[in-house]
Amino acid sequence: ETGVTQSPTHLIKTRGQQVTLRCSSQSGHNTVSWYQQALGQGPQFIFQYYREEENGRGNFPPRFSGLQFPNYSSELNVNALELDDSALYLCASSPGAYSYEQYFGPGTRLTVT
Amino acid sequence: AQSVTQLDSHVSVSEGTPVLLRCNYSSSYSPSLFWYVQHPNKGLQLLLKYTSAATLVKGINGFEAEFKKSETSFHLTKPSAHMSDAAEYFCVVSQASQGNLIFGKGTKLSVKP
Repeated sequence: ETGVTQSPTHLIKTRGQQVTLRCSSQSGHNTVSWYQQALGQGPQFIFQYYREEENGRGNFPPRFSGLQFPNYSSELNVNALELDDSALYLCASSPGAYSYEQYFGPGTRLTVT
Repeated sequence: AQSVTQLDSHVSVSEGTPVLLRCNYSSSYSPSLFWYVQHPNKGLQLLLKYTSAATLVKGINGFEAEFKKSETSFHLTKPSAHMSDAAEYFCVVSQASQGNLIFGKGTKLSVKP
């Protein structure tokens, strides 16, 4: 059984640029959630995708968007990057939209300069 | 709205002594509560979960937590700390209406030899 994987591991971008982060969900899971973890903070919920539809969103602006593909992998896109977007971005997969059992990937460390 | 408060940002113990990480929760209904651990440069790992069954929950690596409704607490304990326990620990509540997790700010556990 393959766990949750994320790519890339690290990324450096310039303010104003756009970035795409990728996540492959665990086998058998149809739901993917994205979280942002700023330095020294707990992860904050960005949004969740269930069967290719957005199924809930946290307090993040529209420049944070996502996609889920038929194989349940997912992308997080961030436009017009700001310095405060520097963080660890975590992806979690789960077997259902309201399942509390979420399995996390190792994260992508994004640095915006 | 649900929330969790971790009462200590940093806890330091000696190897072989007990560990106590404190967490209080706020929820308008019976919550699902979790403890996750995050080792440096690794993903979040679920330690244990409470979902309205037994109030004393046993997790991995000798950790356990007790759900106390009267005190709105869900403290994490371990009888004897090991050097490998040094990590960041997060108390988490599940927001059932959206299926996402709400994290506390974390407690960094240091273990001295």
